[in-house]
Amino acid sequence: GESVGLHLPTLSVQEGDNSIINCAYSNSASDYFIWYKQESGKGPQFIIDIRSNMDKRQGQRVTVLLNKTVKHLSLQIAATQPGDSAVYFCAEMRYSGGGADGLTFGKGTHLIIQP
Amino acid sequence: DTGVSQNPRHKITKRGQNVTFRCDPISEHNRLYWYRQTLGQGPEFLTYFQNEAQLEKSRLLSDRFSAERPKGSFSTLEIQRTEQGDSAMYLCASSPGLGSYNSPLHFGNGTRLTVT
Repeated sequence: GESVGLHLPTLSVQEGDNSIINCAYSNSASDYFIWYKQESGKGPQFIIDIRSNMDKRQGQRVTVLLNKTVKHLSLQIAATQPGDSAVYFCAEMRYSGGGADGLTFGKGTHLIIQP
Repeated sequence: DTGVSQNPRHKITKRGQNVTFRCDPISEHNRLYWYRQTLGQGPEFLTYFQNEAQLEKSRLLSDRFSAERPKGSFSTLEIQRTEQGDSAMYLCASSPGLGSYNSPLHFGNGTRLTVT
């Protein structure tokens, strides 16, 4: 029968390979973006962020690229490990005059690391 | 552990019952957020507080939902007369708040609600 489960885009990569996860955002005025990793049964975990005055930022094994022209974000994970298997979300910060009002999340991508 | 803490982790209730969830944010964080997440979706914003003041509520937050943060520290989210459609993961997050424009939200591990 038909299974009911996550209806997320899925990316399957071999352990040790690099992976790239993409995200499109809608608000051209957004100026702060965050990538989160979410493992089953847990809350989103901060990975890396980037401000709109940058087009690239690197962390440990992760790189975020921002293309404001086409409103596109990507997360690159180098030398993937089994522990990288999770759902990855991009998020953009919303602001009012009082500061950050919270995040708007994109659709997640389920990253599967094949042994 | 000095992260965001949520209790209970799981709650099973019968339709029509009331439930209350608690969130303890990171101690120096002024802003506290509630999100809801259903299977296969990203978290959706419900409401947030700056200290004890509730500053914004999403249209997702029906009149059966109420959130409080009476002393500007922990927060509670109550759902009255639960419906099966309320079944979801309820996530709490905190951030340093006013003046901290480029600071990520830190999430707890959520409360999984199942309404039977």
